[in-house]
Amino acid sequence: QVQLQESGPGLVKPSETLSLTCTVSGGSVSSGTYFWSWIRQRPGKGLEWLAYIAHSGAAVYNPSLGGRATMSLDRSNNQFSLKLPSVTADDTAVYYCARDAGGAVAGLEYFQYWGQGTLVTVSS
Amino acid sequence: EIVMTQSPGTLSASPGDKITLSCRASANIASNLAWYQQKPGQAPRLLIHSASVRATGVPARFSGNGSGTDFTLTISSLQSADFAVYYCHQYNIYPPWTFGEGTKVEF
Repeated sequence: QVQLQESGPGLVKPSETLSLTCTVSGGSVSSGTYFWSWIRQRPGKGLEWLAYIAHSGAAVYNPSLGGRATMSLDRSNNQFSLKLPSVTADDTAVYYCARDAGGAVAGLEYFQYWGQGTLVTVSS
Repeated sequence: EIVMTQSPGTLSASPGDKITLSCRASANIASNLAWYQQKPGQAPRLLIHSASVRATGVPARFSGNGSGTDFTLTISSLQSADFAVYYCHQYNIYPPWTFGEGTKVEF
């Protein structure tokens, strides 16, 4: 059973960089089959897909982030990460990491496994 | 960007009711649509993928239908555990993959 666990600071100051890590167990981030994503949910709002990274390290981002985000893989620790610089209060949200059902294959890009989420508040 | 529109925003129902939630895509997404259930303080849970395929362990009272731009999620006999928010998600065209705004099913 695949499990994902987010970690990171609960509080970030405006203009600083938000850094989150997702630790994966029961599966490998080096698998060529899956895409590993970050999704956020602003308080009381819906879900927003932010980005994914493939086993190769290639990443795709939501254009709404304006090129701000960077994802990376840490194969030795079976983790993937998100960095979002220059945060504002609008970045306050619960951040989820997730794995799809096999994004390397068309039609399998739905999110099969989710972490429990971590609340990040942007405030001075 | 594909815009997903869910209706209604809130649905009031009682245990035992049959309910239908709607999701409309702003462009053709074939059958590349998923439904998720989210309860307060929890991560979303995959219910349906490929518009009509139940995920592992999902009760048979949940069913999905549709293709192209119009989709539905039906719960045939509402249980107390089903009161939650439901989101549709298109994964046909990206970036970005997009979600609907959700339908809250309340008692």
